[in-house]
Amino acid sequence: DSGVTQTPKHLITATGQRVTLRCSPRSGDLSVYWYQQSLDQGLQFLIQYYNGEERAKGNILERFSAQQFPDLHSELNLSSLELGDSALYFCASSAGRAGVKDTQYFGPGTRLTVL
Amino acid sequence: AQKITQTQPGMFVQEKEAVTLDCTYDTSDQSYGLFWYKQPSSGEMIFLIYQGSYDEQNATEGRYSLNFQKARKSANLVISASQLGDSAMYFCAMYDHYKLSFGAGTTVTVRA
Repeated sequence: DSGVTQTPKHLITATGQRVTLRCSPRSGDLSVYWYQQSLDQGLQFLIQYYNGEERAKGNILERFSAQQFPDLHSELNLSSLELGDSALYFCASSAGRAGVKDTQYFGPGTRLTVL
Repeated sequence: AQKITQTQPGMFVQEKEAVTLDCTYDTSDQSYGLFWYKQPSSGEMIFLIYQGSYDEQNATEGRYSLNFQKARKSANLVISASQLGDSAMYFCAMYDHYKLSFGAGTTVTVRA
């Protein structure tokens, strides 16, 4: 158990809908990351927050948004869902202050299926 | 951007034997960090081991060790005394300006 929690574990929804994925980081970690894992794209970085502020942005679609709240939990919002958004979405957390040594610990993931 | 290459899509190994998973990377940074993660069929990503570019020793963590060759830009993971529970996908990753850049992964199947 990495100490990172994600809910829900599974999500099945229809095209055009909107969903929210939730993540709680490990105790003491200030950074939260979101990744998408799909068969064709592999593991792709979406976005990172550090202590409530957006710090880095990857290949995140405009239909997707995220935030980190004062209690450090984070939510990833996916809207106008398309079939291609079906993937495993990971949240990871780290201390956020260790530079290249900053180990990211991953949550169990949310498997999103868009029908 | 950093690039990670894992050229072995799948490998078979006999139980109790060692297996080496290849990872090469491309970076112009002098200071960098390399990570290995394990993803079993259940889907979670498990951190295994870290190697820093300035670390004098190759990293070891239980049955996992890194064969780090800086000049060749390779960081191969060695799993010794393989167990059935080692069957999983293994990813090499590099710290890349706050995020991790991942390789395509190598599937390891341990045979009894």
